Amino acid sequence: GAVVSQHPSRVICKSGTSVKIECRSLDFQATTMFWYRQFPKQSLMLMATSNEGSKATYEQGVEKDKFLINHASLTLSTLTVTSAHPEDSSFYICSARGPTGTEAFFGQGTRLTVV
Amino acid sequence: AQSVTQLDSQVPVFEEAPVELRCNYSSSVSVYLFWYVQYPNQGLQLLLKYLSGSTLVKGINGFEAEFNKSQTSFHLRKPSVHISDTAEYFCAVSVPGGYNKLIFGAGTRLAVHP
Repeated sequence: GAVVSQHPSRVICKSGTSVKIECRSLDFQATTMFWYRQFPKQSLMLMATSNEGSKATYEQGVEKDKFLINHASLTLSTLTVTSAHPEDSSFYICSARGPTGTEAFFGQGTRLTVV
Repeated sequence: AQSVTQLDSQVPVFEEAPVELRCNYSSSVSVYLFWYVQYPNQGLQLLLKYLSGSTLVKGINGFEAEFNKSQTSFHLRKPSVHISDTAEYFCAVSVPGGYNKLIFGAGTRLAVHP
């Protein structure tokens, strides 16, 4: 099956620094990827839709300048949390539109802790 | 717009008992339906999906779900659960022809007890 790899799985950073999270489709090309945020014991909240070669589409209420998304190739999308603050601590999950176009495949998630 | 309602936030069940996790959706257009499972600190794994055709869909790990258009439901069932089925389960919908943008329900925590 289609595999999506997300890295790192855990990261701890100091307040004010930036953190980059990578999402790779390993065995298929993903023209569209998605970034979600998940708070403890809650559902996934879609942050943005990332299309290869174009600007990401952000959901209402998500700060574009804080959560920078780059989808520079058909197998890689990155999410950079800029000037991180403790309230940005969360579980971030990416997914990629599968080769058949009917489903999405998820990465393993990244636990971000800002201290 | 689409929405998904998972009627139970938590479902406790004993090992080897049957279980049903309920999911209702709202949409003015046809949708694809999905069930995902999430283990602690991990991403989501697809259990099964309904795109079209037979309303009874079989998935991995012995799970199945039935699409009921008149009741706009897509309940997940398993005839006999194991301790290892303890996890969070999410029902989701997407619109055909779109980017597979998934709309998730709030999730149901399945706790299997010995």
